[in-house]
Amino acid sequence: QVQLQESGPGLVKPSGTLSLTCAVSGGSISSSNWWSWIRQPPGKGLEWIGEIYHSGSTNYNPSLKSRVTISVDKSKNQFSLKLSSVTAADTAVYYCARRNSSGFSDWGQGTLVTVSS
Amino acid sequence: SSELTQDPAVSVALGQTVRITCQGDSLRSYYASWYQQKPGQAPVLVIYGKNNRPSGIPDRFSGSSSGNTASLTITGAQAEDEADYYCNSRDSSGNHLFGGGTKLTVL
Repeated sequence: QVQLQESGPGLVKPSGTLSLTCAVSGGSISSSNWWSWIRQPPGKGLEWIGEIYHSGSTNYNPSLKSRVTISVDKSKNQFSLKLSSVTAADTAVYYCARRNSSGFSDWGQGTLVTVSS
Repeated sequence: SSELTQDPAVSVALGQTVRITCQGDSLRSYYASWYQQKPGQAPVLVIYGKNNRPSGIPDRFSGSSSGNTASLTITGAQAEDEADYYCNSRDSSGNHLFGGGTKLTVL
């Protein structure tokens, strides 16, 4: 079974860039899946951020597209998220997930990122 | 519009049947998937496609769809089913949408 693990700073300053990495184990990131980032502000619902295929093809949420970059590192079997110009509204638990024809079938445990000075 | 709408909260008596609904224009073209999220945990996929359950999901969970509405039904709700439930679909541009979530209380 595929396992995903998010890592990165838990605190980011306003106007800075949020950077997270998702390590994939138990399977290859070059398999036929899309690798996604989803976030959840405290006490609120889920928001899809974007996704990447191992070829480098990406899809982004239109509301975040201007600030988001998702990349893949096949040599390390991981993918990453960068979100620029962050504000307090970007404070959330960030999840990485595997998406296939069944939906978002596997999720990381999530990591809380707080935007504060 | 590219939105999915869910009732914020639903309750059900222990052992009874409950339906959680999700409405949106995209559901006329694409199936919904459903996720269960318990406090402090990551979401778990419970239903996908026309009415499919991942391995390990009890058969009391089922899904259906009609027009612009998708439904998740729990037949014989158990105490452990108390959780937040989110629907998810995609739109014609390939963007993924989540409903606002439904908090299920088992009485």
